[in-house]
Amino acid sequence: EAGVVQSPRYKIIEKKQPVAFWCNPISGHNTLYWYRQNLGQGPELLIRYENEEAVDDSQLPKDRFSAERLKGVDSTLKIQPAELGDSAVYLCASAGGQGYFSGNEQFFGPGTRLTVL
Amino acid sequence: AQSVTQLDSQVPVFEEAPVELRCNYSSSVSVYLFWYVQYPNQGLQLLLKYLSGSTLVKGINGFEAEFNKSQTSFHLRKPSVHISDTAEYFCAVSEAMDSNYQLIWGAGTKLIIKP
Repeated sequence: EAGVVQSPRYKIIEKKQPVAFWCNPISGHNTLYWYRQNLGQGPELLIRYENEEAVDDSQLPKDRFSAERLKGVDSTLKIQPAELGDSAVYLCASAGGQGYFSGNEQFFGPGTRLTVL
Repeated sequence: AQSVTQLDSQVPVFEEAPVELRCNYSSSVSVYLFWYVQYPNQGLQLLLKYLSGSTLVKGINGFEAEFNKSQTSFHLRKPSVHISDTAEYFCAVSEAMDSNYQLIWGAGTKLIIKP
């Protein structure tokens, strides 16, 4: 079975530029998470989706960050404009579903490493 | 509110020696417990999880963890480490009745294997 897919894996941009990250969760997973992971720290939740609804976006810096999951499947996280402090790894995870990929477990993609110069 | 504490930010250990990575949590409700591993430049991979039943949980790559409710701990152990175990290890907890699978994360412990 395919896991969580993220692209790009790496992105280098200059500050004030926009950037977007894409995530395709495991098939059948209704719950999708975006996390930010700074160097040497655990993941911090940015936003959680149940199908197409953002049910927890309290930690999303809404002045520059936005996210969408229009059809309740894949999702895009955008930063506009990017700041130096946004350099981090952006992780996508999904949960739910049936069979092997079910249960109280979040499955993570490989992440996108963003460097803002 | 829930919280997870990983007391050791780094644990150096010689190859083939045993290792224990400590994790303590605080919660007023029943919890599920997880250990994830993150290899350099990769995403997080589940090592093992405790949902219910036996308090000794076995995971992948020879790791195991023991849930101790009275001490609110979920320490990770391996009897003999290999150089390939070099990674960062994260402990996480979720409320047992939380159908949203929300995880609270520890800060991580870097396992450094010395040859």
